[in-house]
Amino acid sequence: GAVVSQHPSWVICKSGTSVKIECRSLDFQATTMFWYRQFPKQSLMLMATSNEGSKATYEQGVEKDKFLINHASLTLSTLTVTSAHPEDSSFYICSAGGLSSYNEQFFGPGTRLTVL
Amino acid sequence: GIQVEQSPPDLILQEGANSTLRCNFSDSVNNLQWFHQNPWGQLINLFYIPSGTKQNGRLSATTVATERYSLLYISSSQTTDSGVYFCAVCPGGGNKLTFGTGTQLKVEL
Repeated sequence: GAVVSQHPSWVICKSGTSVKIECRSLDFQATTMFWYRQFPKQSLMLMATSNEGSKATYEQGVEKDKFLINHASLTLSTLTVTSAHPEDSSFYICSAGGLSSYNEQFFGPGTRLTVL
Repeated sequence: GIQVEQSPPDLILQEGANSTLRCNFSDSVNNLQWFHQNPWGQLINLFYIPSGTKQNGRLSATTVATERYSLLYISSSQTTDSGVYFCAVCPGGGNKLTFGTGTQLKVEL
């Protein structure tokens, strides 16, 4: 149990294009999903929290117009990086909570984004 | 916000050795998780341990919430244990994880 998938696992795009990353909880309903960003040799930084059917809550310093988050169902959240630039290149990881009454989070395998 | 520090930052072990990783946090928490990030970036849940002691095979963890620290023990280490170990905590009353600085572990033959 507690399997979270992400798609795609890696993507290369040209500067100025938009990229959508999907995060799915495969065997449980995720009341809350989280999006993180990780630069090489660094820790994970929380970008935003999303709850099904409501607007995402962004952490300080994260541009909500650049990183669009949609949590359309209890098993799917998407992150769209709009007008991507090379500085947006990073490892993006989602997590899901809600498997139990505890606030344990389960993580997807991550998406490596490279913007040329 | 809450501060989470891990030590040591880097660790090299010979296969078969034991080790202890430490996680210190600056405020009360309602969630503490230990993860192993493998070379492909996948975070693997090791323990959900806001307090107490748990064991799973060669791994065990102890959290002393009143003193604001947690320990991860790895016994009889194997090369497959290599990677980065993170602890992450949720401050009391919240559901957002703050990750620690990580411990990079390399297990050599």
